[in-house]
Amino acid sequence: DIQMTQSPSSLSASIGDRVTITCRASQSISTFLNWYQQKPGKAPKLLIYGGSSLLSGVPSRFSGSGSGTDFTLTINSLQPEDFATYYCQQSYNTRFPTFGGGTKVEVK
Amino acid sequence: QLQIQESGPGLVKPSETLSLRCTVFGDSISSTRNSWGWIRQSPGKGLEWIGGIFHTGTAYYNPSLKSRVTTSVDMSKNQFSLKLSAVTAADTAMYYCARVRNADFDYWGQGTLVTVSS
Repeated sequence: DIQMTQSPSSLSASIGDRVTITCRASQSISTFLNWYQQKPGKAPKLLIYGGSSLLSGVPSRFSGSGSGTDFTLTINSLQPEDFATYYCQQSYNTRFPTFGGGTKVEVK
Repeated sequence: QLQIQESGPGLVKPSETLSLRCTVFGDSISSTRNSWGWIRQSPGKGLEWIGGIFHTGTAYYNPSLKSRVTTSVDMSKNQFSLKLSAVTAADTAMYYCARVRNADFDYWGQGTLVTVSS
């Protein structure tokens, strides 16, 4: 299976900050990388697919980049509603998708 | 707007079989474009893929769970179902149903908490 490693596991940030979360795959996955946001007590929500494509309705302050094994989720100008846990997920192996361990974005 | 609703018992005894049903509203599970899947999340932990199924009944599973998982679809009710046998405390988790698009999960149910305990 393809292992996904996220860093950091948690970070503290303030409103208006730029936040960067990284995700590394154990093998090349091209751009088959998706990002999810999960708030407490809620199901995860797909934000970005295909490495950099924003799902309709997702604010443009979210962006994704990368290919191969290294990927980044960036949140420009962090908003109060962005405090959550973020997960990456590879969809290269369509029969066995796997998730990163998550990054919790907390209030500084 | 597509919605998915999970249903099933919240408490299962060790060694018994966990059964979950997911009902889809606003889309047909017979769509050839998508499959339907399950993801679980142990308390305070990350996300684990369990498996997925197409409307044809073709299924694919997490290798670590494959020996204990069976799945089915009921197109007449627009439902898909999961059975996980021989459960232990390690199977205690929030279980989510989701629509699987291109191996990404674009719609999720609200989740159902399953506790394994005697």
